[in-house]
Amino acid sequence: EPEVTQTPSHQVTQMGQEVILRCVPISNHLYFYWYRQILGQKVEFLVSFYNNEISEKSEIFDDQFSVERPDGSNFTLKIRSTKLEDSAMYFCASFRDRGVNTEAFFGQGTRLTVV
Amino acid sequence: GENVEQHPSTLSVQEGDSAVIKCTYSDSASNYFPWYKQELGKRPQLIIDIRSNVGEKKDQRIAVTLNKTAKHFSLHITETQPEDSAVYFCAAPLSSGNTPLVFGKGTRLSVIA
Repeated sequence: EPEVTQTPSHQVTQMGQEVILRCVPISNHLYFYWYRQILGQKVEFLVSFYNNEISEKSEIFDDQFSVERPDGSNFTLKIRSTKLEDSAMYFCASFRDRGVNTEAFFGQGTRLTVV
Repeated sequence: GENVEQHPSTLSVQEGDSAVIKCTYSDSASNYFPWYKQELGKRPQLIIDIRSNVGEKKDQRIAVTLNKTAKHFSLHITETQPEDSAVYFCAAPLSSGNTPLVFGKGTRLSVIA
């Protein structure tokens, strides 16, 4: 069964450093998302991406964040200058389309720890 | 935009009993309501979903009901088993259409053997 893969599984970084989280969505999917889950809390929407551009973003997704699909397969989330409060599990999700049957397929997540 | 409220935040039931988790949503245009199960340390996975053209959907021990007038939907798990222990999240679309999804705060279900 096809699945969304994310790397790395765990990233430890110093405050102020840049991190790039990588995702490979399911190959025939068209819509890609990043979600964040702080430990013990709910899954929060960050940004959606379609046709090589951001389609929607939340208040969390400020100027410190950016997304890119550099080579047609990878989908990346960059945090320019990490803060302690960026520590969370980051999930990539892909959707086949925006139609009625739109199950979100989540990757296994990247646990980001900012120290 | 959509606001999804979920309760209870924690729920403990005896094995074999039923569990019910409820969610309310704010956008009357929402038309797709999935439920995700997240086991400890794992990714959320879809367990059941319902669309606004039906009031109830069942899949073995799991069912979801939708009341569009009241703008709430519920997850029902019957004959609970220890492996049902997890965090359950409801979700609704951020805006008209089905994606992106906004999630409730989650319900930690514990099934006691």
